[in-house]
Amino acid sequence: GQQLNQSPQSMFIQEGEDVSMNCTSSSIFNTWLWYKQDPGEGPVLLIALYKAGELTSNGRLTAQFGITRKDSFLNISASIPSDVGIYFCAGPQASGGSNYKLTFGKGTLLTVNP
Amino acid sequence: DAGITQSPRHKVTETGTPVTLRCHQTENHRYMYWYRQDPGHGLRLIHYSYGVKDTDKGEVSDGYSVSRSKTEDFLLTLESATSSQTSVYFCAIMLSGTDTQYFGPGTRLTVL
Repeated sequence: GQQLNQSPQSMFIQEGEDVSMNCTSSSIFNTWLWYKQDPGEGPVLLIALYKAGELTSNGRLTAQFGITRKDSFLNISASIPSDVGIYFCAGPQASGGSNYKLTFGKGTLLTVNP
Repeated sequence: DAGITQSPRHKVTETGTPVTLRCHQTENHRYMYWYRQDPGHGLRLIHYSYGVKDTDKGEVSDGYSVSRSKTEDFLLTLESATSSQTSVYFCAIMLSGTDTQYFGPGTRLTVL
């Protein structure tokens, strides 16, 4: 089946630094989703991308849908302590009918030192 | 917030006992999902539903069953809980007309 490779697995940064993480696949995706999960809570959707080459921002977060449609990138500028959490990428599995399922990356754990 | 609640939020049970987790949504979404989340494995799909009484298996469905008798409720049952089913369980809905899923707050289940 489709797999998403997310990197890095973890990051330790200082407050104020910029962060970049990415997600790659051997398969083409038509949608890329980025989620953040705070400790003890459910994942929250940050950004959804629907078109190759698309660049979308949500505050200090910017995500891009790769031109090849096999990758996506998430950048966080000027990190703050509340950015701590696990960031997941996800995309819909390539199948039709009633089979609407997502494939998830394993996540990037971000730690921000104040 | 997609109007998703999960109950209970925490549960401790013993091996061999049946357990039912409930997911409730208030916005009549057609698709509902149950995931488990474990360290090193990320989110894994257990079962999903595409309508009342319409369900299908995910990648880790062994040992789990589901039911959906009403649009708003999706139940996950562990017929005979095992220690390997200790996990955090998340329910999700898919927003109609999109590929985006929204998650509930989770249920932390411990099987002793």
